[in-house]
Amino acid sequence: GAGVSQSPSNKVTEKGKDVELRCDPISGHTALYWYRQSLGQGLEFLIYFQGNSAPDKSGLPSDRFSAERTGGSVSTLTIQRTQQEDSAVYLCASSLVAIGTEYGYTFGSGTRLTVV
Amino acid sequence: RKEVEQDPGPFNVPEGATVAFNCTYSNSASQSFFWYRQDCRKEPKLLMSVYSSGNEDGRFTAQLNRASQYISLLIRDSKLSDSATYLCVVGRPNDMRFGAGTRLTVKP
Repeated sequence: GAGVSQSPSNKVTEKGKDVELRCDPISGHTALYWYRQSLGQGLEFLIYFQGNSAPDKSGLPSDRFSAERTGGSVSTLTIQRTQQEDSAVYLCASSLVAIGTEYGYTFGSGTRLTVV
Repeated sequence: RKEVEQDPGPFNVPEGATVAFNCTYSNSASQSFFWYRQDCRKEPKLLMSVYSSGNEDGRFTAQLNRASQYISLLIRDSKLSDSATYLCVVGRPNDMRFGAGTRLTVKP
C-alpha cells in the first residue's frame, strides 16, 4: 500500500499474556521507528531500525519489550507478560532515510492496546 | 530539562486569529526540524519541515533560531479545521525527539 500499515488496529488482552504488533512500512523506506503514546501524553520513543544496522533499543522500557525487523521491511513489536501500564497506542513510522529528508516520517494509524 | 519542550496550551483562539507556537530544544547538534499535527485519536501527520532560512506554506510559517535553539510555527487566519495538537520534532541521525505537543482550539 501507499502508507504505513499497522495491525491489529485494536487489541485487548489479559494481564500476563504476550502480544505481537505488526508494522508494514512504506516500500523502500529504510528507517522504521516504534513509538507509544499514552492517553493525552506525548510520543515515547521505543526502538529504531535503519537498514541493516543494529537497532537502537534505548527506548524500550523493560526486557519484556522486544522488536525485530525481517528482511529490512516488516517489523513486529512483542510485549511479553503484559501489564496494565503497557496500555497505550503503539505507533510505527517509516522514513526514506534515517533523518534529514524534507519529508520526515510517515506514521501508521497505530495499534490501540488495552491490558485488562 | 526535557530535550524538546513545548507550551502544552491549550491555546483557544477565534477564527481568523494569528497564533504562534514555540518549541525549544537542548541539543545544539540537532540537524532536522519538523512540525507535525495530530488530531484527536489519530496518528501524527507531517505539517512542514523547518529550514534554516524559514519557510512558508500557505497560512503556515515555520522558523528556526539556532542561536536561541528554538523553532516556531505561525498560523495566520486560523480556521476551525486547524484545531489539533501541534508537535515539534527535533533531531539528528538516529535520534529524533518529539515535543509533548501544543493543543490549539479555534472557535467560531
